[in-house]
Amino acid sequence: DVKVTQSSRYLVKRTGEKVFLECVQDMDHENMFWYRQDPGLGLRLIYFSYDVKMKEKGDIPEGYSVSREKKERFSLILESASTNQTSMYLCASSPGAYGGGNTIYFGEGSWLTVV
Amino acid sequence: QKEVEQNSGPLSVPEGAIASLNCTYSDRVSQSFFWYRQYSGKSPELIMSIYSNGDKEDGRFTAQLNKASQYVSLLIRDSQPSDSATYLCAVTGGSYIPTFGRGTSLIVHP
Repeated sequence: DVKVTQSSRYLVKRTGEKVFLECVQDMDHENMFWYRQDPGLGLRLIYFSYDVKMKEKGDIPEGYSVSREKKERFSLILESASTNQTSMYLCASSPGAYGGGNTIYFGEGSWLTVV
Repeated sequence: QKEVEQNSGPLSVPEGAIASLNCTYSDRVSQSFFWYRQYSGKSPELIMSIYSNGDKEDGRFTAQLNKASQYVSLLIRDSQPSDSATYLCAVTGGSYIPTFGRGTSLIVHP
């Protein structure tokens, strides 16, 4: 079975804190993604990675950074949390075949509240 | 800008009826199409994928793809209250990055 694990499910952080969201996948997938999801706005891509140490910006990278030191692990970092980053964060992975047939699998989500 | 459009709903159907969810996409080179179900407060889970024109059936679910018209649909037969959720359409084309629609809310009432 496909497994994407987000270790922190519910977090409450203070404005200005540095926040780490961790994600691990056990399918040996090449691609990993971080999305945020807000009511009425759908899924918005923050960053993605197609290989170890490789990353590319998505649609809303401002205020975020990522790290992928190992193939199975992709971390999202909020350098200085702000209240407008309160959201549900979803990690995902996909096998890595360029083109068709690239099913994406999601973790359970991390609910972040910044106060 | 690649776009995937879905009617936000809510789509309300009685229990036992067929629910029909539609999705249109803008990128003609799109190759892979996915339907996800998302319960409130949960993450999206994959229901079906479809790659070729025509119908693909899996239990009570049927995905339909028409590349010429650039739409993909999901039919849910014998709808159950447990099918009440938001359904997300996702499309991938020449890259591995999917484009998601904003989802259609489905309510199945007893």
